[in-house]
Amino acid sequence: GQNIDQPTEMTATEGAIVQINCTYQTSGFNGLFWYQQHAGEAPTFLSYNVLDGLEEKGRFSSFLSRSKGYSYLLLKELQMKDSASYLCAVRATGGGNKLTFGTGTQLKVEL
Amino acid sequence: EPEVTQTPSHQVTQMGQEVILRCVPISNHLYFYWYRQILGQKVEFLVSFYNNEISEKSEIFDDQFSVERPDGSNFTLKIRSTKLEDSAMYFCASSEAGFGLARLGTQYFGPGTRLLVL
Repeated sequence: GQNIDQPTEMTATEGAIVQINCTYQTSGFNGLFWYQQHAGEAPTFLSYNVLDGLEEKGRFSSFLSRSKGYSYLLLKELQMKDSASYLCAVRATGGGNKLTFGTGTQLKVEL
Repeated sequence: EPEVTQTPSHQVTQMGQEVILRCVPISNHLYFYWYRQILGQKVEFLVSFYNNEISEKSEIFDDQFSVERPDGSNFTLKIRSTKLEDSAMYFCASSEAGFGLARLGTQYFGPGTRLLVL
């Protein structure tokens, strides 16, 4: 089975940097994905990590440590529109490319 | 940019009725998925589909559920006899590939169908 943990809520200030952590346990790991979800909308793909290290993509970066079962999403130069839920999802080996999602971290960006 | 589309955006039905949710995946994608999200809860995997067959399904995907690719563009989820607890947002997703390079397996989600069972 798989277990994914994320903080439920975070608050940050416009223009600041925020780090959203995700820890996971899985029987076979084949990638970790981050999605953004605004209320009532679909998850939107942000980034993925398969190997250890940092992947940078504009204002967003994601880090993975497979040995620690740990990832984080780093958001820089926060904007009000970044207020959303951030979903960590793990893909396991074998089968049909199933994603198992965490409960998501609700980020609120304030002035 | 290509997108996954879904119809209808909202569906209200009576308990026991059949519903069909429709999706048009991104055109060059070969793998298709259905997920659901009950209000306030996490996104849950239902089923993955490739080459006209189910690749994997969850324990939620029981005999009341079925999927079909009736033509070259549509992908449908049928719930035969809806229950109150089927009320949720249903998301369709697609990916170029199902495994191997994570980039090719990245899943892109449609806007969802909000199903309400009364």
